[in-house]
Amino acid sequence: AQKITQTQPGMFVQEKEAVTLDCTYDTSDQSYGLFWYKQPSSGEMIFLIYQGSYDEQNATEGRYSLNFQKARKSANLVISASQLGDSAMYFCAMREGKSNTGKLIFGQGTTLQVKP
Amino acid sequence: GAVVSQHPSRVICKSGTSVKIECRSLDFQATTMFWYRQFPKQSLMLMATSNEGSKATYEQGVEKDKFLINHASLTLSTLTVTSAHPEDSSFYICSASSTGTFKRNTQYFGPGTRLTVL
Repeated sequence: AQKITQTQPGMFVQEKEAVTLDCTYDTSDQSYGLFWYKQPSSGEMIFLIYQGSYDEQNATEGRYSLNFQKARKSANLVISASQLGDSAMYFCAMREGKSNTGKLIFGQGTTLQVKP
Repeated sequence: GAVVSQHPSRVICKSGTSVKIECRSLDFQATTMFWYRQFPKQSLMLMATSNEGSKATYEQGVEKDKFLINHASLTLSTLTVTSAHPEDSSFYICSASSTGTFKRNTQYFGPGTRLTVL
């Protein structure tokens, strides 16, 4: 069965510094997708970044990059130049299979606090 | 970007009443919609997957007679919590995805509905 693990319940980072949020996954599928979402206190889920299992390069979206290490089954999120507005809960998620409409399984989440 | 709306954003109801929550994809056709439940400071728990025009697929442990899901069109799915009780109080979030080329590889979420049952 697929599983997503985020081992950091809470993280602190100084404003303007970089931070890495850990995510490991377990799946027997060869084709899968990995996602990161941000959930601020308002509750909305904001899509940040996507990495496909066959993508050779690490995904990047602005200040977000995904450090994809397939052999280690890890998909860590790196946020560069942290901003106060980055304070939120962050979820790693996985979708098995090739279909865009497959269900997501979420990790436990990491609460990030950015200090001024 | 893709927009998914949910209505209402907050609802307070008395125990025993039914509550309907709407989820709409505003700028794309959602082949599939998902309903999640989230307790404070916890992760999202998938309740069910709905495809337009067919019956929803419920996750293990989710009562299909209590949480009625209807996906009547490619832009609208509804979740009805029937005979709500205080233990049904939670944050309910929908999401939508598409098999089309538009917004591939992404599942977009609505803003959520906070249900409080008194």
